Amino acid sequence: NAGVTQTPKFQVLKTGQSMTLQCAQDMNHEYMSWYRQDPGMGLRLIHYSVGAGITDQGEVPNGYNVSRSTTEDFPLRLLSAAPSQTSVYFCASSYSNAEQPQHFGDGTRLSIL
Amino acid sequence: GENVEQHPSTLSVQEGDSAVIKCTYSDSASNYFPWYKQELGKGPQLIIDIRSNVGEKKDQRIAVTLNKTAKHFSLHITETQPEDSAVYFCAASMTSYDKVIFGPGTSLSVIP
Repeated sequence: NAGVTQTPKFQVLKTGQSMTLQCAQDMNHEYMSWYRQDPGMGLRLIHYSVGAGITDQGEVPNGYNVSRSTTEDFPLRLLSAAPSQTSVYFCASSYSNAEQPQHFGDGTRLSIL
Repeated sequence: GENVEQHPSTLSVQEGDSAVIKCTYSDSASNYFPWYKQELGKGPQLIIDIRSNVGEKKDQRIAVTLNKTAKHFSLHITETQPEDSAVYFCAASMTSYDKVIFGPGTSLSVIP
């Protein structure tokens, strides 16, 4: 049982580039979410989904897009990377509510130059 | 909106001693308080939570206490072991179905 799987683990981008962070879970959880973690700031919610075809914004959604075409997958897209998006990104899933993370992936460390 | 503060930011204890991490929250309507442990290079792991109708909850060597009047809650780890070394996050939300607001984290080091 893999739980929540995130790829890639590390990525370096140039300002203005776009990319997609992948997240997949095999627990049949309806609820999935994306957080960013910055030093001294805990985790902040970017976007979340309560089921396939349904997404909503969290605390810090600007510059990011999400989609949820299947229960298993919840990719996060950076449209035009900026240095302020340098962070560690975590995907999480939950059986009860998107905003109550219960299972986290191991993160993607993203650097924007 | 809700604001969660956490102290201390770093904590070192000798193996076998107890560790206490304290958090305060601002919104008196908050009723759900989870705690997460994050090991180096890993994602956070939910380790224990408490709801407002309970003053204390224990799970083996960890316990959480809640004082709603003072708006603070604490994580207690007894008989600490090196594998307890990690960053611990407290969080708060109005119910178990609302957005969770995280504290900034406490880095715990258990010295063998």
